[in-house]
Amino acid sequence: DVKVTQSSRYLVKRTGEKVFLECVQDMDHENMFWYRQDPGLGLRLIYFSYDVKMKEKGDIPEGYSVSREKKERFSLILESASTNQTSMYLCASSVPGQGARTEAFFGQGTRLTVV
Amino acid sequence: AQSVAQPEDQVNVAEGNPLTVKCTYSVSGNPYLFWYVQYPNRGLQFLLKYITGDNLVKGSYGFEAEFNKSQTSFHLKKPSALVSDSALYFCAVRDSLRGNTPLVFGKGTRLSVIA
Repeated sequence: DVKVTQSSRYLVKRTGEKVFLECVQDMDHENMFWYRQDPGLGLRLIYFSYDVKMKEKGDIPEGYSVSREKKERFSLILESASTNQTSMYLCASSVPGQGARTEAFFGQGTRLTVV
Repeated sequence: AQSVAQPEDQVNVAEGNPLTVKCTYSVSGNPYLFWYVQYPNRGLQFLLKYITGDNLVKGSYGFEAEFNKSQTSFHLKKPSALVSDSALYFCAVRDSLRGNTPLVFGKGTRLSVIA
């Protein structure tokens, strides 16, 4: 089975802190994604990556950056955490071989609270 | 632009009754359509997908979905609901003309199955 693992289930950080959310997948997937989930807004794409050292902005990249130094790992960075970044963060991966035909596999999510 | 609409925030159904969770989509080319389920404080689990072929797609846990091109819909169904089906359901789409791009999700529908 595909496994996507996010480093923390719950995090509490202070305003202004630099926050790292880590995601690792074990299926050699080229594609990796970061979404945030908020009630009534569904899933919104923050950043995605199709290859090592490659990144693309999603719909809401402001206040975030990402790093992909290895194929299996995709990190989301909150440069200076703010209370409006309190949310559930979901990492996902997928294969590109059949491109659009493939589903994405999700991690268990990280619930981040910024105080 | 590709988009997904889930017109109902909440669906309530009695255990043993059939359930339907609605989804409509908008794409330029042919749609690739997906359903996911999310249990409390967990990530998203893939249920089923429509790529091409038979309009009725069967998936995990007894769920199925019907693709209707003329109505641009992909409603999720189950003949007999279980209390354990209570969860948040997301519909997602990818446009065949846009190749290997991230999934676009609806805002989710909360299903409550009452014993």
